[in-house]
Amino acid sequence: QVQLVESGGGVVQPGGSLRLSCAASGFTFSSYGMHWVRQAPGKGLEWVAFIRYDGSNKYYADSVKGRFTISRDNSKNTLYLQMNSLRAEDTAVYYCAKDSRFRELFPHPFDYWGQGTLVTVSS
Amino acid sequence: SYVLTQPPSVSVAPGKTARITCGGNNIGSKSVHWYQQKPGQAPVLVIYYDSDRPSGIPERFSGSNSGNTATLTISRVEAGDEADYYCQVWDSSSDRVVFGGGTKLTVL
Repeated sequence: QVQLVESGGGVVQPGGSLRLSCAASGFTFSSYGMHWVRQAPGKGLEWVAFIRYDGSNKYYADSVKGRFTISRDNSKNTLYLQMNSLRAEDTAVYYCAKDSRFRELFPHPFDYWGQGTLVTVSS
Repeated sequence: SYVLTQPPSVSVAPGKTARITCGGNNIGSKSVHWYQQKPGQAPVLVIYYDSDRPSGIPERFSGSNSGNTATLTISRVEAGDEADYYCQVWDSSSDRVVFGGGTKLTVL
């Protein structure tokens, strides 16, 4: 069965950096695009970034563009989110999610989600 | 940027029909997906490509999309349907995934 397990969350000071990981199993990781989605406490879902199945194309939300970098290692079945210049408003649970379509160029519905990892930006 | 507008809350009695709307400029030209999120849990896809239902999702869940409004319809509502519901599209003009603000469904 598909499993997505996020890790790397924690408490970080404003201006600091953090790298999140998402370990994938139960499907051919290298054939599916992947997403990061976040949810601030008590708020709605906010899409963060998408990476194409082969890593050749990436899209970002305006709120994180230039500060966050999505990447993947298909040999390790792992998705990453490098977060720099963190702000208080980046505090959220970060989910990784699997795109539903095989080797597609653009995002499609998210058919599996991890349980999330909490990032808290505070001094 | 493209904006999706959902009502913050919808209330319905058990056994009745709940309709949750998602408004967007010419949203009928886009594919709309719906997610259900219960407290403390990750979201779950309940409707994709406007009206398709993933395996395991009850037939009581259905969707439609036309003009400037997409609608998630839940028939014969049960207490277990109480959750937050989010609509989502891919905006190809800006290369961004967009979520609606979410609707809290309360079963009275």
